[in-house]
Amino acid sequence: SAVISQKPSRDICQRGTSLTIQCQVDSQVTMMFWYRQQPGQSLTLIATANQGSEATYESGFVIDKFPISRPNLTFSTLTVSNMSPEDSSIYLCSVEPGQTNTEAFFGQGTRLTVV
Amino acid sequence: GDSVTQMEGPVTLSEEAFLTINCTYTATGYPSLFWYVQYPGEGLQLLLKATKADDKGSNKGFEATYRKETTSFHLEKGSVQVSDSAVYFCALSDRLKTSYDKVIFGPGTSLSVIP
Repeated sequence: SAVISQKPSRDICQRGTSLTIQCQVDSQVTMMFWYRQQPGQSLTLIATANQGSEATYESGFVIDKFPISRPNLTFSTLTVSNMSPEDSSIYLCSVEPGQTNTEAFFGQGTRLTVV
Repeated sequence: GDSVTQMEGPVTLSEEAFLTINCTYTATGYPSLFWYVQYPGEGLQLLLKATKADDKGSNKGFEATYRKETTSFHLEKGSVQVSDSAVYFCALSDRLKTSYDKVIFGPGTSLSVIP
């Protein structure tokens, strides 16, 4: 299993500003994932972060808007840049510590409101 | 591509009622299947999983059986409690498609249990 700490748990931000979300895992993991959950909707994968390489972004998400850092095997950050009200969502960090088709573990999420 | 479909909510049940939430999937490989639960204001928690055909996952009185012939993974509980009120997500991951377990989520089903 894995315990994931995500900070901040919530924030209210002004449009045009940026917010960096931190994700700390209690064990070393190869892959870390960032998801967005828009109000009342399911989770959408933003990007996959592998330590030591550039993050891989899903269709519809770009690095300029959602830069990701992965400096070591237990930590990652996601920045939501130049925010607009449409960015109001829950952002979740996830890891998959196993080797073959084991479950993903999630942080408690960051609830972002852009005003 | 791979996808997950689940019954639309919200679902409202009386305490001790029987619960079924339908889930069907589309995948070209041999996915693992999961049910995740999201309690109000919290992140996602794994409820149960099944990694191959005919496997039955179970936890906290919930059960789901991996049916390859019908591509289904329906969630059931014989007697729900108020504390089961949450949003339930059916999900799959297929390592054969990628080098890691990219998880694909269904839209989620909101369950409210009333006393």
